Amino acid sequence: GAGVSQSPRYKVAKRGQDVALRCDPISGHVSLFWYQQALGQGPEFLTYFQNEAQLDKSGLPSDRFFAERPEGSVSTLKIQRTQQEDSAVYLCASSRQPRPNYGYTFGSGTRLTVV
Amino acid sequence: EDKVVQSPLSLVVHEGDTVTLNCSYEVTNFRSLLWYKQEKKAPTFLFMLTSSGIEKKSGRLSSILDKKELFSILNITATQTGDSAIYLCAVEAAGSYQLTFGKGTKLSVIP
Repeated sequence: GAGVSQSPRYKVAKRGQDVALRCDPISGHVSLFWYQQALGQGPEFLTYFQNEAQLDKSGLPSDRFFAERPEGSVSTLKIQRTQQEDSAVYLCASSRQPRPNYGYTFGSGTRLTVV
Repeated sequence: EDKVVQSPLSLVVHEGDTVTLNCSYEVTNFRSLLWYKQEKKAPTFLFMLTSSGIEKKSGRLSSILDKKELFSILNITATQTGDSAIYLCAVEAAGSYQLTFGKGTKLSVIP
């Protein structure tokens, strides 16, 4: 596709519910990132994939967060037993090269609200 | 721990004004500093700076990096209402793929 596509755009979950957020990166992009952006804050790193390999998951806040990219293209971020503090915009970004000289292309994000 | 501090946090100007946004950072093994513009949700890339003292320019926007003093500025001249957005600064460390972002500067340009 022309850009990074994320779905759903909005998700309301009841506390304790499991959610799955999807990211479709630009075709052929090797690198894929997930970031979490709380209201009034900058994005915070969650995890990084190079193709299907998850090379860095140091930003995942707890073992309730899990990400996968099994075929090196689409990625899913799963949050189990959601808590109110998980409410945020979840941004996905991708790039053709592991380290581009032009930054990364971000998607429009999924706004998760836990009630 | 890597750290990025942006100032001011918010700014209101009139169309036609020139603004300067500031970004200071602390990072182990600096590799690059990036500026993004965030309207609604998706940040869009503006500049990547790796060398000190070299200005990057795109239309009315320009940015420069000072690696000795550990800061960068983003200048916008002749501001327009379409420049209203949050401007994010981020740093990348060598040996790491992740970006560390500041909280952003919210710029509002009023007619």
